[in-house]
Amino acid sequence: DVKVTQSSRYLVKRTGEKVFLECVQDMDHENMFWYRQDPGLGLRLIYFSYDVKMKEKGDIPEGYSVSREKKERFSLILESASTNQTSMYLCASSFLRRSPAVSVNTEAFFGQGTRLTVV
Amino acid sequence: AQTVTQSQPEMSVQEAETVTLSCTYDTSESDYYLFWYKQPPSRQMILVIRQEAYKQQNATENRFSVNFQKAAKSFSLKISDSQLGDAAMYFCAYRGHISNFGNEKLTFGTGTRLTIIP
Repeated sequence: DVKVTQSSRYLVKRTGEKVFLECVQDMDHENMFWYRQDPGLGLRLIYFSYDVKMKEKGDIPEGYSVSREKKERFSLILESASTNQTSMYLCASSFLRRSPAVSVNTEAFFGQGTRLTVV
Repeated sequence: AQTVTQSQPEMSVQEAETVTLSCTYDTSESDYYLFWYKQPPSRQMILVIRQEAYKQQNATENRFSVNFQKAAKSFSLKISDSQLGDAAMYFCAYRGHISNFGNEKLTFGTGTRLTIIP
């Protein structure tokens, strides 16, 4: 079974704190993603990475950074947490398609989510 | 940029009946993948069904099937014989086909909350 594991299910932090959300996958996936989920807004991409030490901004990167030092681990960092970052955070991973002719699983696998509250 | 629209924030259906969830998308690409994901109260996102745009045949998985209309850019999910365990948030998602870094991401709709009435 594919497993994507997020370090915390619930987290409460104070405004201004530096917050680390960790994600580990065991499927040797190249791609890893961090999404934020808010009611009525669906899932919005914060950052993604297609290789170790590589990162790309998603749709809402402001206030966040990421780190990918090992293939299996992708960390989301809130440099100075603010109340508007209270949300559900979902990590996901998937295979990288190196060629259109290569048939590999295309879906993303998700972690169980971290509900972060910033007070 | 690709966009995915789910116009039904909430739907309900009687147990054992059939329900259809709507999804439309906008893209300039000719090849891509479409997905329906389910998120039950446990919050774990689960893949329900996948459709490759180059395949004309609609995908089916047991009680779940899609109606893929490429020209209309429509991708609806039909759930037959609805069961209590189908109650969840359902998300439609898009992924580009060509391995162009940046096309690997999934773009999601805003979701439809499905309630099953016993």
